Amino acid sequence: EVQLVESGGGLVQPGGSLRLSCAASGFTFSRYAMMWIRQAPGKGLEWISYISGSSSTTYYGDSVKGRFTVSRDNAKNSVFLQMNNLRGEDTAIYYCARDDYGTDFWGQGTLVAVSS
Amino acid sequence: DIQMTQSPSSLSASVGDRVTITCRASQNIATFLSWYQQKPGKAPKLLIHATSGLQSGVPSRFSGSGSGTDFTLTISSLQPEDFATYYCQQSYNTPPWTFGQGTKVEIK
Repeated sequence: EVQLVESGGGLVQPGGSLRLSCAASGFTFSRYAMMWIRQAPGKGLEWISYISGSSSTTYYGDSVKGRFTVSRDNAKNSVFLQMNNLRGEDTAIYYCARDDYGTDFWGQGTLVAVSS
Repeated sequence: DIQMTQSPSSLSASVGDRVTITCRASQNIATFLSWYQQKPGKAPKLLIHATSGLQSGVPSRFSGSGSGTDFTLTISSLQPEDFATYYCQQSYNTPPWTFGQGTKVEIK
């Protein structure tokens, strides 16, 4: 059974940093690209980052480019999102998800709240 | 970037109704279109990929169609567990992967 479990969310002050983790199981992790997608309270879905299976390719949405960094450790079946210089508008539930034919599996999400 | 526009933004329907949700892309995306269902407090769930490919385990009352810029998600007979918000997503011209704004299906 495919499982994705995010962790690392919490309350942080504006300008602060957080590192999100996503632990994957139930599939051959290195064969799949992974994404981070977020959802602000009461809002829709926003794609923010992509990393290929080998880590050779990464992409970022314009709203996080230069502040967020995606990485992965295939030996530990994990993907990470380093978030720096956080802003109020970064407040959201952050989901990691597997990219296949569609974004076919999602974690339960971790809440990031940016506030003073 | 490709913009995705869903209509309606919300709808009210009864159990057993046929429901259709429309998604329009700002440019041609061939059939690179997926549909997701999200219930309150839960992660989105993939229903359909590549416009009409039903994800494993998804009931056959869900179907998708379209190509180019215009797409539809149809629920042939709405069930109580189908009340949720539905999103379309394009994966043709990426990055970015862009979503529609969502369609909330409520009980009439």
